[in-house]
Amino acid sequence: KNEVEQSPQNLTAQEGEFITINCSYSVGISALHWLQQHPGGGIVSLFMLSSGKKKHGRLIATINIQEKHSSLHITASHPRDSAVYICAVRDNYGQNFVFGPGTRLSVLP
Amino acid sequence: DGGITQSPKYLFRKEGQNVTLSCEQNLNHDAMYWYRQDPGQGLRLIYYSQIVNDFQKGDIAEGYSVSREKKESFPLTVTSAQKNPTAFYLCASSREFSGRATPEQFFGPGTRLTVL
Repeated sequence: KNEVEQSPQNLTAQEGEFITINCSYSVGISALHWLQQHPGGGIVSLFMLSSGKKKHGRLIATINIQEKHSSLHITASHPRDSAVYICAVRDNYGQNFVFGPGTRLSVLP
Repeated sequence: DGGITQSPKYLFRKEGQNVTLSCEQNLNHDAMYWYRQDPGQGLRLIYYSQIVNDFQKGDIAEGYSVSREKKESFPLTVTSAQKNPTAFYLCASSREFSGRATPEQFFGPGTRLTVL
């Protein structure tokens, strides 16, 4: 079964800083999903990717299949980016996602 | 607006009682999922359903039951057999898994269950 790790566990940044959150997994995957969980608990999908790089606004997600690693970058961070960021992977054989423990981000004004 | 609704947002239960959490979607998705979230842990899959009248156990199904009588609805019952039911419960849905492209999952707002 795939093991998903995220780093750092907690991250505090000043407004405007460039932020990187990392996700690593143990076996080959068919897709990787980055999610954002707001303080109230609701979860929003950010990216689904299986190769390369995707960009949406200030968010960039990259994946390196050979190294079994993905990063989520936030440029020009803002206090409203404060949330828990979750990485989830679907391996080549399974139908369901395995979720990482999340990275709690706090952006201070 | 299309989306997923869960009710109630907060739920309190006495030990030994069964309780049912509601999940409704109007996205016309075939697949629906129930997850449990505990502090410091990733979401864990309880049950999932890919089509009406069919569902499968996830990683932590013991003490839970589900039904899928309608495409839009996937209620979860937390039974008295669940030894540690206090947690945050999330429902999700997606298009059918075709085996090729992985469908994105959409999540409801969650229900926080506390056993007193």
